[in-house]
Amino acid sequence: GQQVQQSPASLVLQEGENAELQCNFSTSLNSMQWFYQRPGGSLVSLFYNPSGTKHSGRLTSTTVIKERRSSLHISSSQTTDSGTYLCALLNNAGAKLTFGGGTRLTVRP
Amino acid sequence: DPKIIQKPKYLVAVTGSEKILICEQYLGHNAMYWYRQSAKKPLEFMFSYSYQKLMDNQTASSRFQPQSSKKNHLDLQITALKPDDSATYFCASSQEIWASAETLYFGSGTRLTVL
Repeated sequence: GQQVQQSPASLVLQEGENAELQCNFSTSLNSMQWFYQRPGGSLVSLFYNPSGTKHSGRLTSTTVIKERRSSLHISSSQTTDSGTYLCALLNNAGAKLTFGGGTRLTVRP
Repeated sequence: DPKIIQKPKYLVAVTGSEKILICEQYLGHNAMYWYRQSAKKPLEFMFSYSYQKLMDNQTASSRFQPQSSKKNHLDLQITALKPDDSATYFCASSQEIWASAETLYFGSGTRLTVL
């Protein structure tokens, strides 16, 4: 079965609204990373967050290992936040990431 | 300035043909990878190389062959192309093979369409 599941699959917001993206994983965690994939396809690393809470501007990532979940909170969304958000697990044998299916976010003006 | 260059950005091929996807990184990294993203599946790991040696291969088909002619190059040769090979192929790199995911950098991808 799929090791990493993301929800929702898609999300539409009005500019200024907040978003909560979820990532659940079925295997033990070595580390968790969140990526942003631009509409053109390139990937940008947002957070490396194996546990706890991390902040970066309007973004907050929280990983709770024992509950096997990680979340990405986007506050005061902007149209430029539109794109796909991917979470990925790093396994114990090196930099081999297992990705979730992504959440496609659309922020309307 | 992109530090990981993938060429071409778009590629159209006919079934049965062979193509080579180019990847060059200018980050001074020692580990390079290929990932694939298709319409039907999440982004998935294909290969990892460290100091030009194959470390991990999660691709079942031998039609996919990485080629590392230089330390900062990892090309991907695909033979006997099939329509199911249509996907965006991403090259990535990290300082060392055991580096945390925090230091994994991705190229902008090559979108392959097989007709």
